[in-house]
Amino acid sequence: DTAVSQTPKYLVTQMGNDKSIKCEQNLGHDTMYWYKQDSKKFLKIMFSYNNKELIINETVPNRFSPKSPDKAHLNLHINSLELGDSAVYFCASSQRGANGYTFGSGTRLTVV
Amino acid sequence: AQRVTQPEKLLSVFKGAPVELKCNYSYSGSPELFWYVQYSRQRLQLLLRHISRESIKGFTADLNKGETSFHLKKPFAQEEDSAMYYCALVSGNTPLVFGKGTRLSVIA
Repeated sequence: DTAVSQTPKYLVTQMGNDKSIKCEQNLGHDTMYWYKQDSKKFLKIMFSYNNKELIINETVPNRFSPKSPDKAHLNLHINSLELGDSAVYFCASSQRGANGYTFGSGTRLTVV
Repeated sequence: AQRVTQPEKLLSVFKGAPVELKCNYSYSGSPELFWYVQYSRQRLQLLLRHISRESIKGFTADLNKGETSFHLKKPFAQEEDSAMYYCALVSGNTPLVFGKGTRLSVIA
């Protein structure tokens, strides 16, 4: 009954590959997010989706594309992976007006 | 633009000593402030939010609008408090913005 679940937990892949990370929330929240935590533990927003619309897209390379098939899912697709993409990616969700975010357990991506 | 500053990357204290993790912010609009904690290799968990004025695991944080600060305090540190602590801010429709985090290490 995990509130925000991400798969996979670990992902090791070679440079140039294309990969996806899945995120699902069962909280009925209307907004979902992707954050990147780099090697220095800095957390930066990448995307947020509200009711299937992309509402913020920070300066993220267009190799990254979020896909939301429905309100409960926000998947992250990454094309042509680079070494610098290695990080932990966290999915989160919230309900507009409530401001509390619930985070997934993270996906540790290692590009070799 | 909203910004959250945590001046200390690392804070080491002895068990039983008081802890204060500093957080300052700049904002436009009416922000809400939070503290999140991340234990080793685990997900981020909400620790405190300023509007609830709760005490969680002995931690408290008071919003000081004059100094634009939201420092996290605990009178007696425990070993299990060792973790990364992130101060965060949200205002209006903008997503949660995090500070760079402070690693708290409680020494036995």
